[in-house]
Amino acid sequence: DQQVKQNSPSLSVQEGRISILNCDYTNSMFDYFLWYKKYPAEGPTFLISISSIKDKNEDGRFTVFLNKSAKHLSLHIVPSQPGDSAVYFCAASDLEAGNNRKLIWGLGTSLAVNP
Amino acid sequence: SQTIHQWPATLVQPVGSPLSLECTVEGTSNPNLYWYRQAAGRGLQLLFYSVGIGQISSEVPQNLSASRPQDRQFILSSKKLLLSDSGFYLCAWTGQMQETQYFGPGTRLLVL
Repeated sequence: DQQVKQNSPSLSVQEGRISILNCDYTNSMFDYFLWYKKYPAEGPTFLISISSIKDKNEDGRFTVFLNKSAKHLSLHIVPSQPGDSAVYFCAASDLEAGNNRKLIWGLGTSLAVNP
Repeated sequence: SQTIHQWPATLVQPVGSPLSLECTVEGTSNPNLYWYRQAAGRGLQLLFYSVGIGQISSEVPQNLSASRPQDRQFILSSKKLLLSDSGFYLCAWTGQMQETQYFGPGTRLLVL
């Protein structure tokens, strides 16, 4: 059972336009959400996160929106640049017994930004 | 600042051979440590995590094991590799009671 879903395996946008990557989750107990960017043959890099007490967090060209009632979050990249081409992972934080936090991951969306 | 190292970067091993991948973290103490595998180019599967020395939790039954002999050292092992063990192995750390995980550069393992 996939608790974090990224339903679009791939996305293609033109340089300078907005990229919108979507993520849905099923567990209402998730209280923290993260986006990571991954290039081939490299480890994921943390991009931006949002707590469940907020509905928006912005960092430069990256903005994450959280809609708790819909159990949906999205990552907006404006303007998109060719260097943004990578796989983007959505992850949700699950606090388990003993205060150890694990991340539940989506399967990723491959973004291609065309010059 | 904190850094995380993994080695080797690439490994080609025959079926049935042993495996030892190492991960070390610098610049922090008492981190939570994680081993992931990424197979088929997508998806991160959590294999093991550790909240302290000698404390290992396994997420999925498999041919692999993990150990944490020192506070900032995490080792992934196998006694006999299978073809299905091929993949990209990632180590990550996080501070206690923190959510954001930081990843190492990964090890690409090819079992032939």
